[in-house]
Amino acid sequence: DIPMTQSPSSLSASVGDRVIITCRASQSISSYLDWYQQKPGKAPKLLIYGASSLQSGVPSRFSGSGSGTEYTLTISSLQPEDFATYYCQQSYSTPRTFGQGTKVEI
Amino acid sequence: QLQLQESGPGLVKPSETLSLTCTVSGGSISSSSYQWGWIRQPPGKGLEWIGSIYYSGTTYYNPSLKSRVTISVDTSQNQFSLKLSSVTAADTAVYYCARHDRWGVSGLDFWGQGTLVTVSS
Repeated sequence: DIPMTQSPSSLSASVGDRVIITCRASQSISSYLDWYQQKPGKAPKLLIYGASSLQSGVPSRFSGSGSGTEYTLTISSLQPEDFATYYCQQSYSTPRTFGQGTKVEI
Repeated sequence: QLQLQESGPGLVKPSETLSLTCTVSGGSISSSSYQWGWIRQPPGKGLEWIGSIYYSGTTYYNPSLKSRVTISVDTSQNQFSLKLSSVTAADTAVYYCARHDRWGVSGLDFWGQGTLVTVSS
């Protein structure tokens, strides 16, 4: 298994803030890293795949970067609809492990 | 537009087998480009990848569940299924089915809405 560690586990932010969430893998995952947004009672939604590629239909305020073992999700200007929990997942090897999640709240 | 829909009992007794089916519509499960997976989320907790299957029947399981999990595919019905045996309360979760590309480069791009399965006598 490749454990994935997200930080922080939660954060408080305001509309308009720049938010950065970090995901660290226990070994290099060669950019096989995806980011998901989940709102209460809903299925996760793919935001970023391959570390930095924006999924179709996702606003451009979301961006991803990183390589090797360290990856970040950035929300450039937080909007009211962005308050949610965010998960990273590595797709480098099975099992495809998730981070523990980062809850973004007001 | 591709859609996935989970179905199955919402309540399972301890020690019994949990069985769920995911029906795919708007696309073929027999596409050579994709695998079909199961993910679960205990109430108030994070996501856990259970396993996935290719249309040919090739499976990939999470080692933590491998001894209890079987994933199968029925291409004629455009469905794939999950069986989890010897369940306990720890298996209570929302179970999602989802699609991902076979190379792992484009994420879990389509998800079902999820179905809550409670393990209780």
